[in-house]
Amino acid sequence: TQLLEQSPQFLSIQEGENLTVYCNSSSVFSSLQWYRQEPGEGPVLLVTVVTGGEVKKLKRLTFQFGDARKDSSLHITAAQPGDTGLYLCAGFSPITNTGNQFYFGTGTSLTVIP
Amino acid sequence: NAGVTQTPKFRILKIGQSMTLQCAQDMNHNYMYWYRQDPGMGLKLIYYSVGAGITDKGEVPNGYNVSRSTTEDFPLRLELAAPSQTSVYFCASSYGRTGNGNSPLHFGNGTRLTVT
Repeated sequence: TQLLEQSPQFLSIQEGENLTVYCNSSSVFSSLQWYRQEPGEGPVLLVTVVTGGEVKKLKRLTFQFGDARKDSSLHITAAQPGDTGLYLCAGFSPITNTGNQFYFGTGTSLTVIP
Repeated sequence: NAGVTQTPKFRILKIGQSMTLQCAQDMNHNYMYWYRQDPGMGLKLIYYSVGAGITDKGEVPNGYNVSRSTTEDFPLRLELAAPSQTSVYFCASSYGRTGNGNSPLHFGNGTRLTVT
C-alpha cells in the first residue's frame, strides 16, 4: 500500500507551459518535502513545508501544503527543459510506533519538450 | 565535499549470489538509510541507522542485512540474490531524524542491480 499517491504519474509538456503535480494521502503529515531526481542521480531536496496552508515559492516553482496537512501540490510556471526529472513528495507521519515514519510518494516523471 | 558515495554504480548478479553495496558519507551525519527504487513505486526504506552500532528495519527488510560499525559507513548486504531484488538502491544520510525541516536527506547516486 502507498501512503502517498502522486498524480499524474507521467507528464510531457511543451516548454513555456504551466503544470501542477499533486501529492495526496488519507493520513496527516507533520511535514512534507518535495525532491527532484535527475536520471542517474539521487533525489535532491527542493523544499520542506510544515504548516497547514503554507505556500513556498522557489523561483518558478510554487509548493502548497494542504490546510489539513494531508496533501500537497507543486506548480511550475513556464516550464523549461531543465525542469525535466522525477518529482517525489515525501512526508513525515508519526502514525505508527515503528521507526519508519517517513514515506515517499509514487513519483511524477516530468518531461519538458523544447 | 563528496557527500554520500555509493559503490558500485552497476552490478549484475546471478540468482543465489551474494554481494555488499557500499555507502560512505563524509558529513558526520548520525542517520543513514538504504532505499530501493522501483518504477512507479517511489522509494521504499529497507534499513536505517541512527548511529554507529544501531540499526533497524524499514518497510522492506527481507533479504537484506546491514551493519554500522562507524559513523561514516553503512553497507547493505544481499545474501541470496533473487530476481525480486532487481532495483536501484540509494543510500542516504541526514544530520537529524528525517522529516524534520532542518534535516533533509542527502542521497548518493545509486547502485543499479540486476539479478538474473
